[in-house]
Amino acid sequence: DGGITQSPKYLFRKEGQNVTLSCEQNLNHDAMYWYRQDPGQGLRLIYYSQIVNDFQKGDIAEGYSVSREKKESFPLTVTSAQKNPTAFYLCASSNQPGQPSSPLHFGNGTRLTVT
Amino acid sequence: GQNIDQPTEMTATEGAIVQINCTYQTSGFNGLFWYQQHAGEAPTFLSYNVLDGLEEKGRFSSFLSRSKGYSYLLLKELQMKDSASYLCAVIDSNYQLIWGAGTKLIIKP
Repeated sequence: DGGITQSPKYLFRKEGQNVTLSCEQNLNHDAMYWYRQDPGQGLRLIYYSQIVNDFQKGDIAEGYSVSREKKESFPLTVTSAQKNPTAFYLCASSNQPGQPSSPLHFGNGTRLTVT
Repeated sequence: GQNIDQPTEMTATEGAIVQINCTYQTSGFNGLFWYQQHAGEAPTFLSYNVLDGLEEKGRFSSFLSRSKGYSYLLLKELQMKDSASYLCAVIDSNYQLIWGAGTKLIIKP
């Protein structure tokens, strides 16, 4: 069964530590995305990648980094430079990034809490 | 700036009909999505509208008026499992997705 797997579901870190969130897809999709979801706000784009070894900053990339070494994988690192990292993080993919009507497929999210 | 407005929360009764509105002000328009998201889970695709009018899919329908910057999602024969948040998202002129904050729908027996 194809899909997107995010792990772990819950993650706790101390302030000042970097943390990496995993996102793996077996849908053979070219494009992958990272969003952040906060209460009372719409999803905000952190980074996206349309092909392997290439990625672009989204609206709120500061304090985050990504890599796209394999088509299936798009890990997100939340660095200590991110001022407010506690949030729900969603990974998504799309099989036709140039096609506006192509919907996003989302993982189940990782809830990160930094104290 | 770009803005998408949805009611924060709505309550409806099992078996009834509910309409969730979405109004948008964006730089250009290339389509509008509705997604359903159960608490703590992945958003799942419901519908896509790019032309004016009503698109029906079973118990769910989505309407678009581009001239009014307005869409609604209509849910009929409500079931308890329809309790979820409903997200509206618009594709702007740069083909970027702009998301509303979502409407939390509570279904009561």
